[in-house]
Amino acid sequence: EVQLVESGGGLVQPGGSLRLSCAASGFPFSGYSMNWVRQAPGKGLEWLSYISSTTSVITYADSVKGRFTISRDNAKYSLYLQMNSLRAEDTAVYYCARESGYAFDMWGQGTLVTVSS
Amino acid sequence: QSALTQPASVSGSPGQSITISCTGTSSDVGTYNVVSWYQQYPGKAPKLMIYEATKRPPGVSNRFSASKSANTASLTISGLQVEDEADYYCCSYATGGTWVFGGGTNLTVL
Repeated sequence: EVQLVESGGGLVQPGGSLRLSCAASGFPFSGYSMNWVRQAPGKGLEWLSYISSTTSVITYADSVKGRFTISRDNAKYSLYLQMNSLRAEDTAVYYCARESGYAFDMWGQGTLVTVSS
Repeated sequence: QSALTQPASVSGSPGQSITISCTGTSSDVGTYNVVSWYQQYPGKAPKLMIYEATKRPPGVSNRFSASKSANTASLTISGLQVEDEADYYCCSYATGGTWVFGGGTNLTVL
């Protein structure tokens, strides 16, 4: 089955760290660029980060630059997001999304990250 | 990286047509012809409805169409159906290798 499945979300204290994973299946993962997008409760979508298929290009939104790190392991069909120095405003559902032609054509179901003491 | 501007809400009756606008700048919508549109139901992941400003992915109803002129993109849904009631987001590739979403539009089918 062609799908993306996120994991790793949970409750973390402000200033803490968390690592999200996204497991891909059913398509040639190494041939696609990938992204992380989040959605705070009751709010809109926010693009966070992009990584090219070979990891040669990585970009971040200003809101997470310097705190979040995107990475991937093509052999494991996996995408990651290391999140450090977490703040209350990082509370959101985090989605991984496959990029094709500058659009996000496949999304995972999302994983909830709650930053609270 | 300012969000694209969309109306917060639109509404229409079954069978009618509605249009959702998405206004950006010369750093995103105005320069790159790669606006995409997403449909999202509550508690669900977004679904790609339009890519490259006007193209529909396989399986998306031809009741969904889109256009772009200068800094503004538009999504039109014709022959509104109850199941079209959802949130809709536009998105554009932007300068610096980033992407920017619109704030989202809640569509109500009365």
